[in-house]
Order: sequence, then C-alpha cells, then structure tokens
Amino acid sequence: KAGVTQTPRYLIKTRGQQVTLSCSPISGHRSVSWYQQTPGQGLQFLFEYFSETQRNKGNFPGRFSGRQFSNSRSEMNVSTLELGDSALYLCASSLDASGTGELFFGEGSRLTVL
Amino acid sequence: AQTVTQSQPEMSVQEAETVTLSCTYDTSESDYYLFWYKQPPSRQMILVIRQEAYKQQNATENRFSVNFQKAAKSFSLKISDSQLGDAAMYFCAYRRRSGGGADGLTFGKGTHLIIQP
Repeated sequence: KAGVTQTPRYLIKTRGQQVTLSCSPISGHRSVSWYQQTPGQGLQFLFEYFSETQRNKGNFPGRFSGRQFSNSRSEMNVSTLELGDSALYLCASSLDASGTGELFFGEGSRLTVL
Repeated sequence: AQTVTQSQPEMSVQEAETVTLSCTYDTSESDYYLFWYKQPPSRQMILVIRQEAYKQQNATENRFSVNFQKAAKSFSLKISDSQLGDAAMYFCAYRRRSGGGADGLTFGKGTHLIIQP
C-alpha cells in the first residue's frame, strides 16, 4: 500500500511569488492535514480537510490556503511568499477525522524562499 | 491555547540501555489524546505510541511505554533496550477532541535522541 505522497519534494521560490504543494493520501484515507515545520517555530498545524471540507484551521494568515478534491487528494497554496515561509511542509492522512486514528505523514515538501 | 513542552532538546543513551524522554502539556480540557512521534533524519514522521486521556492505563508498544500522569499533565516516553535505529527526533503531541472530530496536533519542540554504540 503506497504511503502519503507529496510533490514537489524540493522547490525554490522568490519573495512575492506563490506556490502550490500537492498531497496524495493513503488509499482509503479521507482526512488530510497540513503542518509547517521550521527550526524556530517547530511543527505548527495549518489546516485539516475531510470530505472536501475544511474542518480545522491553525493560526496562519490568509495567504495560506488549501483545498481537498473528491478523490481526497489535497493541495495547499501560499501566496505572496515571504522569507519566513521557508519551511518543510508536511502532509498527513488518516482514515477519518475523529482524532483517534494514527496520522500517516509524507516526507514533506521543502520550500526555500529567496 | 494548549501548549506542549519538551524540556530536553537532546538526550544521549548507550545502546541496550533505557532512556526516558519528558513531556508536559497545558490544557483545560478533559477529553484529549497524547502522542509520541518519531522523525528519523530525512525520513517521514511515524507514530510511536498514543494515549487517550480517559484511559488510566499507560500505553505500551513493545520496547516503548509511557508514564501518563493526568493530574500533573505529564506524558513521558520510556524506550527500553535502545537500538541504533531509535536515533531520531522525538515529538510529543497533544490533540483535543472536539465535537465529532478533533483539532490539529499541537507539537512540542522535540528531543533529539542519540544512541551511542
């Protein structure tokens, strides 16, 4: 069974640009959540989607957005990139959104903003 | 807001020895979950062990066990018979249960575990 797949794995952008990251969850998983990991702030929750609906959102500005498609694949978008957006962006999937289930993480997309 | 504190940025242990990683959390909720996740270098994060707050019995998974002290809001991880493959960043995480679902995970800053051969 394939794990959580994130693309691209690495990317470099410049300030002011926008970026879209993609996440394919494990087959059958309907919940997808996103986390930002930086050396300074650690791991921070961005948002969670279940059945194409955003269920929870972390404390990030509106430049960060996401969506989930009917096949459970998810994308997140960051507009007007800032230097501080450089981070490892992790996607995680689970069977449901109950919170009891295990989260399966992808390897992440490492974004560098110059 | 909930917070998770891991007071040990780095720990070192000899192979085959036992090590305990500390975690405290702050919450006013009564229904929540606690997790330990492991993140090996350049590899994805995996779940080590989880604990549901309403269960008094400490969770165990093979060589990994927790000491859950709900009143003290403490959730430490004990790794017995440490192996080289245990070397990784370990994150303690909290998840509040809300309505029919749950909030996102709140992570601690992590503890870097070094295994000495």
